[in-house]
Amino acid sequence: QKEVEQDPGPLSVPEGAIVSLNCTYSNSAFQYFMWYRQYSRKGPELLMYTYSSGNKEDGRFTAQVDKSSKYISLFIRDSQPSDSATYLCAMGGGGGNKLTFGTGTQLKVEL
Amino acid sequence: GAVVSQHPSWVICKSGTSVKIECRSLDFQATTMFWYRQFPKQSLMLMATSNEGSKATYEQGVEKDKFLINHASLTLSTLTVTSAHPEDSSFYICSARAAGGRDLLDTQYFGPGTRLTVL
Repeated sequence: QKEVEQDPGPLSVPEGAIVSLNCTYSNSAFQYFMWYRQYSRKGPELLMYTYSSGNKEDGRFTAQVDKSSKYISLFIRDSQPSDSATYLCAMGGGGGNKLTFGTGTQLKVEL
Repeated sequence: GAVVSQHPSWVICKSGTSVKIECRSLDFQATTMFWYRQFPKQSLMLMATSNEGSKATYEQGVEKDKFLINHASLTLSTLTVTSAHPEDSSFYICSARAAGGRDLLDTQYFGPGTRLTVL
């Protein structure tokens, strides 16, 4: 079993839709939870990070962490074609200062 | 914001040659840099952690003699793929962690990546 599980998609939604992206994890030692956005042939860009259970909102993005269920989510409101990318969840604090990444979910927002 | 650059952005080389990839933190000092590789439609796999002035720590299964890492200054780390073979073709990405940061991962910034193709 992988430490972090993420549905690879692809996920296709119409413009304006609410997008829900999710990851589950097995290592209860993880303390930091992040979402990165990666455009094709580019490096990942940090979108959101949280350190505790609950919600964190930044513009159209909301990150949600449920440590009891070992489940994290990223919600994108009013999705735009420019949001089309691969979204990677990442977790850390489980040992050293390394990040453990999910496989990424490919999102396509269509006009 | 913090910017990390990589050079070259892409490289094509013949099998058996060595390739050096540079990772630079442009506007901050990085005590720790990380090197990842990413195959198509797969996630980032950590190869090694590089601390300025000390030897890199390699992940299990990564050959340290094949992937030489040097972190000689607070703004530069290099990855040299020695005697490259076609199976080494991949997307190599570095990230840099700012000096003085807490032991938190929110200060890790990624470079744009280097695409290596070995013929």
